[in-house]
Amino acid sequence: DQQVKQNSPSLSVQEGRISILNCDYTNSMFDYFLWYKKYPAEGPTFLISISSIKDKNEDGRFTVFLNKSAKHLSLHIVPSQPGDSAVYFCAAGAGTASKLTFGTGTRLQVTL
Amino acid sequence: NAGVMQNPRHLVRRRGQEARLRCSPMKGHSHVYWYRQLPEEGLKFMVYLQKENIIDESGMPKERFSAEFPKEGPSILRIQQVVRGDSAAYFCASSPTSGEYGYTFGSGTRLTVV
Repeated sequence: DQQVKQNSPSLSVQEGRISILNCDYTNSMFDYFLWYKKYPAEGPTFLISISSIKDKNEDGRFTVFLNKSAKHLSLHIVPSQPGDSAVYFCAAGAGTASKLTFGTGTRLQVTL
Repeated sequence: NAGVMQNPRHLVRRRGQEARLRCSPMKGHSHVYWYRQLPEEGLKFMVYLQKENIIDESGMPKERFSAEFPKEGPSILRIQQVVRGDSAAYFCASSPTSGEYGYTFGSGTRLTVV
């Protein structure tokens, strides 16, 4: 029962271009969404979040878009840099509960 | 200003042994969460604890797994009689209050059961 899905296991983008990572969810109770970045042998690092009352949140090179009717969110990274190469996890939460449901991750490779 | 500290980083256990994973939250954080990542999968919630209290253990396997966060000392995730399927990366996270979704993760403990 995968409530948060990241259907692209990997993505390769040239340096300077836009990276778009996608995430779909099925649980209508989710009202808070986050993106985490993870390097090998390290814990996930929080990147950016969005509440369900918004459809866009921006932080520097990172923008998250939320389409509630489609139960879809995306992370845009522009311009992409080699240091962005990592695994990106989408996560969702509901109400005041503190547990998060994670997707399976997308491995982003930014090439020179 | 140390982050979330987990130890050991790597743990090897034979089938049937016990595994103890430790997590010291960030200073000032009283909420601790444990997640498990199986190979090629995302992180799965296991348990949420506050000092001396288990708040949500809905993700914990019914048998062999237990967690505590005592008044003094680190949080402990304990796995009794380990099996090969317990091999995974176990991540701890902490936050200063509940509902803090952008909480801070530790670097994880990689458990290998041989």
